[in-house]
Amino acid sequence: EVQLVESGGDLIQPGGSLRLSCAASGFTVSSSYMSWVRQAPGKGLEWVSAIYSGGLTLYADSVKGRFIISRDNSKNTMFLQMNSLRADDTALYFCARESWQKGYSSGWFSWGQGTLVTVSA
Amino acid sequence: QSVLTQPPSASGTPGQRVTISCSGTSSNIGSNTVNWYQQLPGTAPKLLISSNNQRPSGVPDRFSGSKSGTSASLAISGLQSEDEADYYCAAWDDSLSGPQVVFGGGTKLTVL
Repeated sequence: EVQLVESGGDLIQPGGSLRLSCAASGFTVSSSYMSWVRQAPGKGLEWVSAIYSGGLTLYADSVKGRFIISRDNSKNTMFLQMNSLRADDTALYFCARESWQKGYSSGWFSWGQGTLVTVSA
Repeated sequence: QSVLTQPPSASGTPGQRVTISCSGTSSNIGSNTVNWYQQLPGTAPKLLISSNNQRPSGVPDRFSGSKSGTSASLAISGLQSEDEADYYCAAWDDSLSGPQVVFGGGTKLTVL
């Protein structure tokens, strides 16, 4: 069964760091297109970062220079290292698996349940 | 302010047909595919329409998508109470600062 399970969310002070994990089962993270998508309380969806099978990493302007996406192939897990956290980073963070066809995105077809990050003093 | 523009709300009665629009620019919808997501309260989003107009396995044929130029739309026919949810459009954007995914602000669909 294909499954994504996020963990690592916590209450953290502004300026602090946190690492989120996304453990995958039923498929191989290293050969997949994976993303982090977040949702602030009561707000819409916001793409955060992506890591592709070839190692390419992409970031939203709002997190560029502060967040780092990575993966551990031996653990079949994706990570999001979040540094210099701000109040507006408070959100439920989802990991998701994306499909591509003929060079175009077919969307995120598999999602985790999310992990909550709260940035507050 | 979201890059893609959706109406914040939509409504209809059971059995009706409703459409939700999504407006973008040449750097996102105009040059990439649009995907639609349905988010029921308290749950993770679910892929509803992929690649502009494709229904993933398990999605009822009441849901359909289309794209023309820099706009896209989601149509729901034969509206049912379980369709009450938030709907989001998304597309990759070929921005100058690097490829990024952009979302619409979401449309809250109410079944009256």
